Amino acid sequence: GAVVSQHPSWVICKSGTSVKIECRSLDFQATTMFWYRQFPKQSLMLMATSNEGSKATYEQGVEKDKFLINHASLTLSTLTVTSAHPEDSSFYICSASGRLAGAYEQYFGPGTRLTVT
Amino acid sequence: DAKTTQPNSMESNEEEPVHLPCNHSTISGTDYIHWYRQLPSQGPEYVIHGLTSNVNNRMASLAIAEDRKSSTLILHRATLRDAAVYYCILRRYGGSQGNLIFGKGTKLSVKP
Repeated sequence: GAVVSQHPSWVICKSGTSVKIECRSLDFQATTMFWYRQFPKQSLMLMATSNEGSKATYEQGVEKDKFLINHASLTLSTLTVTSAHPEDSSFYICSASGRLAGAYEQYFGPGTRLTVT
Repeated sequence: DAKTTQPNSMESNEEEPVHLPCNHSTISGTDYIHWYRQLPSQGPEYVIHGLTSNVNNRMASLAIAEDRKSSTLILHRATLRDAAVYYCILRRYGGSQGNLIFGKGTKLSVKP
């Protein structure tokens, strides 16, 4: 089956610092990757969509200068939270879309829990 | 995007079948019905999807109404590991690799 990994699984950082989260598709090529954010007891909210080699498309209300997304290869996308603040503390989840067994499906990573102190 | 409506929560006993309903009255002809589930502190996991016909896989069955305005995810024998939030999502194909829009889902509790 398709496997998507995220690193780190959790991170604690101080307010004002930047944090990078990696998302990798381990056994398939992901032409599109998605980044979601999930606050406690809430559903997943899409932040941005990235296609390999292109600039990410951000959802309304998501600051692209604060959440930098790079999708440099077909197996790796990174999300950098710049100048993090406590309100950025959340569960960040990536997903990768690839063609497997003749159909496109979306596979999710295990998530990264970010705590900003 | 067509919306889905699910009950906020459901309870089940271990080893009994569970029927999780989903209403999608504004579904279009090209919308596939997808089900994902999310265990606590984990990313969502694909469960099953279908278009018109009922579908079975090793995890669950998906029963789709004839008019496609509703569907039911069936877990044949619930286990404690099936306790999760289950999301019913409509996704349009046609070569699209579009994002999944998550609603609030149904939180399933399984009692031993």
